[in-house]
Amino acid sequence: GAVVSQHPSRVICKSGTSVKIECRSLDFQATTMFWYRQFPKQSLMLMATSNEGSKATYEQGVEKDKFLINHASLTLSTLTVTSAHPEDSSFYICSARPAIGARLEQYFGPGTRLTVT
Amino acid sequence: GENVEQHPSTLSVQEGDSAVIKCTYSDSASNYFPWYKQELGKRPQLIIDIRSNVGEKKDQRIAVTLNKTAKHFSLHITETQPEDSAVYFCAASYSLGNEKLTFGTGTRLTIIP
Repeated sequence: GAVVSQHPSRVICKSGTSVKIECRSLDFQATTMFWYRQFPKQSLMLMATSNEGSKATYEQGVEKDKFLINHASLTLSTLTVTSAHPEDSSFYICSARPAIGARLEQYFGPGTRLTVT
Repeated sequence: GENVEQHPSTLSVQEGDSAVIKCTYSDSASNYFPWYKQELGKRPQLIIDIRSNVGEKKDQRIAVTLNKTAKHFSLHITETQPEDSAVYFCAASYSLGNEKLTFGTGTRLTIIP
C-alpha cells in the first residue's frame, strides 16, 4: 500500500515552454501533497505544500507564478513549470500524506527529471 | 523555521559492522522524525520514523533513538549489508502545524564487502 506515482518520469523541453508533472496517490487519499526539488547529490528542498481544494502554500523564494500547483482531487496534484529555462532543470519529486487519522508519514513518488534545453 | 543538521555526510562501514547517523533539530515544537533511504536516481523510501512521545523504536536491524531535551535523534543500522548502501536523510516536522518535513543534508553510506 501507500504507492505514489509521478508522470512523466523524464521530460526534455525547450526554453520558454511549459511542462506539467502529475503526482497521484494510487491506493490512498491524500489531503496534502508536497512538491520538492532535488539537485544532484543534495537534499530535498520543499517548494510548496498542496492542499486539496485550496491554494498551495509556497516556500520562501519559490515563485508561485512560475511553479503552478493544482490539487483538484484527493489523489491528484499537478505541478506546472511555466516558461521553463535551463536553470529549472532538476529532479522534481512529490510526496503524499495519507488522509487517515493521525498518520504523519509521507510517501514519495519516483520523481521527474526535467531537462530544459 | 526548523533547521536540521545531519552528520556525517559520508560514512564507510565494513559489512557486518554497525552504522550510526546523527541529526539535530532546532525547533522544540517538532514532534515527528522520519528517516528516508534513497538509492541513486530513485525515490526516497521511508525506513523508520519516531514520534516525540517515544525515546526509541526498532525494526529488525534498524533503530532510531530520540533525545528531546538535547534535540537530537539518531539512526542505527546493525549487521550492515551491501544493500544498505544508499543516501540516508533524516527529517523533522511538527504534526500540529503545516506538517512539512525539513530534511537534513543526507549521509552517503557505503558498505564495504
